[in-house]
Amino acid sequence: KAGVTQTPRYLIKTRGQQVTLSCSPISGHRSVSWYQQTPGQGLQFLFEYFSETQRNKGNFPGRFSGRQFSNSRSEMNVSTLELGDSALYLCASSLAGGSRKLFFGSGTQLSVL
Amino acid sequence: AQTVTQSQPEMSVQEAETVTLSCTYDTSESDYYLFWYKQPPSRQMILVIRQEAYKQQNATENRFSVNFQKAAKSFSLKISDSQLGDAAMYFCARQGGSEKLVFGKGTKLTVNP
Repeated sequence: KAGVTQTPRYLIKTRGQQVTLSCSPISGHRSVSWYQQTPGQGLQFLFEYFSETQRNKGNFPGRFSGRQFSNSRSEMNVSTLELGDSALYLCASSLAGGSRKLFFGSGTQLSVL
Repeated sequence: AQTVTQSQPEMSVQEAETVTLSCTYDTSESDYYLFWYKQPPSRQMILVIRQEAYKQQNATENRFSVNFQKAAKSFSLKISDSQLGDAAMYFCARQGGSEKLVFGKGTKLTVNP
């Protein structure tokens, strides 16, 4: 069974641009969560989607948004990029309601110049 | 804020020896899950072990075991017979009534040959 796939692995953008990150969950998993990882703040929860609906949201500005498609694939969008948005963005999928175990992808490393 | 604290930023262990990583947490929920994740240089977060708070028995997975002290809100990870491949960042995490994980800042484990 394929794991969680995130694309792209690396991304370089400049301030003010926007970016879209993609996440394909493990087959059968309906919940997708996103996390931001930085050296200073550690791992912080962004949001969680289940059956195309956002179920939970972290404490991030409205520039951070996401969506989930009917096949459970998810995208995360960051608009008007700031230098502080440079981070590793991790996606995780789970059965949601089953084992509660989250399985992570390898992340997208975003650098904002 | 309901936090997770890992008081050891770095730890080292000799190959084949045993090491214990500490974690304490704060929660007002009665039903929750606790996890240890490993993040090697590849950046992928790998689930090491999971503990359900309502279970008194400590979880074990091969060389990995936990010491769960619910009243003290403590959840330490013991790695026995340490191997070079165990070298990584280890994150303790708590999960309450949703899929959201709250992570500690992590402990960097070095395994010396």
